[in-house]
Amino acid sequence: GAVVSQHPSRVICKSGTSVKIECRSLDFQATTMFWYRQFPKQSLMLMATSNEGSKATYEQGVEKDKFLINHASLTLSTLTVTSAHPEDSSFYICSASPGTAGELFFGEGSRLTVL
Amino acid sequence: GNSVTQMEGPVTLSEEAFLTINCTYTATGYPSLFWYVQYPGEGLQLLLKATKADDKGSNKGFEATYRKETTSFHLEKGSVQVSDSAVYFCALHHTGNQFYFGTGTSLTVIP
Repeated sequence: GAVVSQHPSRVICKSGTSVKIECRSLDFQATTMFWYRQFPKQSLMLMATSNEGSKATYEQGVEKDKFLINHASLTLSTLTVTSAHPEDSSFYICSASPGTAGELFFGEGSRLTVL
Repeated sequence: GNSVTQMEGPVTLSEEAFLTINCTYTATGYPSLFWYVQYPGEGLQLLLKATKADDKGSNKGFEATYRKETTSFHLEKGSVQVSDSAVYFCALHHTGNQFYFGTGTSLTVIP
């Protein structure tokens, strides 16, 4: 199947700093990628839909100035958590679909810890 | 609107026990249905899918049948193994490329 890769898998940062997480589709082009945040007790929350060459579409309640999404190419989307705070600590997961049969492929996830 | 409801966990079973994780959905039109599995510390992986009513998805001994009359897609396995311990997500995909996920069900299989 298609492969989606995230980097870094784990990151620790100080409060007030910014962190960038990359999501790449390795063997297919993705005009659309999705960013999720996974809370304790495993609930997945869709944060935003990343669209290549245009602005991301954010879900209600997600601060677009805090979670900056850039989809600069057909294989790369980035999520930047700006001015991170401890409450931003979470597991962030990206996904993309090659467009066949509606299947969604997920990255390995990125564990962010803000001290 | 579209939504997915799955049984709350956690679920703990002994090895070789029978597994059922219930999933029901609400959707307009005819969505595709999926089960994803998340092993500890990893992202989600597709386990199986069904794209139309009465289809049965199957993989690694797991099965789920798309039941339009009961709007359900229950996950079953006849004999679970310790390696099946994971979190399982039911999902539906509708036109417009949007996916809707259930809240996930944690399964622990003990030897």
